[in-house]
Amino acid sequence: EAGVAQSPRYKIIEKRQSVAFWCNPISGHATLYWYQQILGQGPKLLIQFQNNGVVDDSQLPKDRFSAERLKGVDSTLKIQPAKLEDSAVYLCASSLGARTSGLGTQYFGPGTRLLVL
Amino acid sequence: GENVEQHPSTLSVQEGDSAVIKCTYSDSASNYFPWYKQELGKGPQLIIDIRSNVGEKKDQRIAVTLNKTAKHFSLHITETQPEDSAVYFCAASRSNDYKLSFGAGTTVTVRA
Repeated sequence: EAGVAQSPRYKIIEKRQSVAFWCNPISGHATLYWYQQILGQGPKLLIQFQNNGVVDDSQLPKDRFSAERLKGVDSTLKIQPAKLEDSAVYLCASSLGARTSGLGTQYFGPGTRLLVL
Repeated sequence: GENVEQHPSTLSVQEGDSAVIKCTYSDSASNYFPWYKQELGKGPQLIIDIRSNVGEKKDQRIAVTLNKTAKHFSLHITETQPEDSAVYFCAASRSNDYKLSFGAGTTVTVRA
C-alpha cells in the first residue's frame, strides 16, 4: 500500500513570496490533516478535512495560509505572503475516518521542508 | 485545549539497556494516546498506541502504560538497539475527532 505522498520535499523562498505544497493521501482515506512542525517541536495541527469539507481550521493563520481539498482526495496548502517564522516542515497526514473508533490512526507523509529567507 | 508535556527532551542509553519516556496531558476527555518515531528527514511513524480502556499494551520490545487518574502515560523500549535512535513524540486526542496534540519530542541516542 502506497503511503502519503508530498511534494516538493524542499523549498527555499524569500519573505513575502508565495509557496504551495501538495499532498496525496493514502487511497480511501477520508480524513486529511496538515501539520506545521517547527524545528525542535512537535507537529501542530493547521487544518483538518473530512472528505472535501473543513472540520477544524482554528489554528490556521487565515490571513496568509489557505488550504483546499478538491474532490476529497488531494490537497494543497498555500502561504501568501511568507514570513521568516513560517520556516518549518509541513506534514500531511491521512486516516480512514475520524469520529469512528479505531479508524482515526494517522499516517504521515515525509513532509515539505520550507526555508524562508 | 489539550496540553501535552514530554520528558526528558534528550535520552542517551547504552545498547541493550531500557529507555523510558514520560508524558502528561491536561484534557481529562482525551482517551487516545499514540506514540510516533521520527527519523531524520522523514515524517513521524506510528509505533504503538493505547486507548483509555486499557492500562498497558505491548508490542515486542515496546510497551506503553497509561494512568488516566494521574493523566500520564509512558513509553518503554527494552533491549535498545542502534536503530532505535530517533526522535519520539507522544500525542493525545479525544477519540471523537482524533485531532492530535503532540509533546515536544525526546531525542533518543543508543550508544553502541
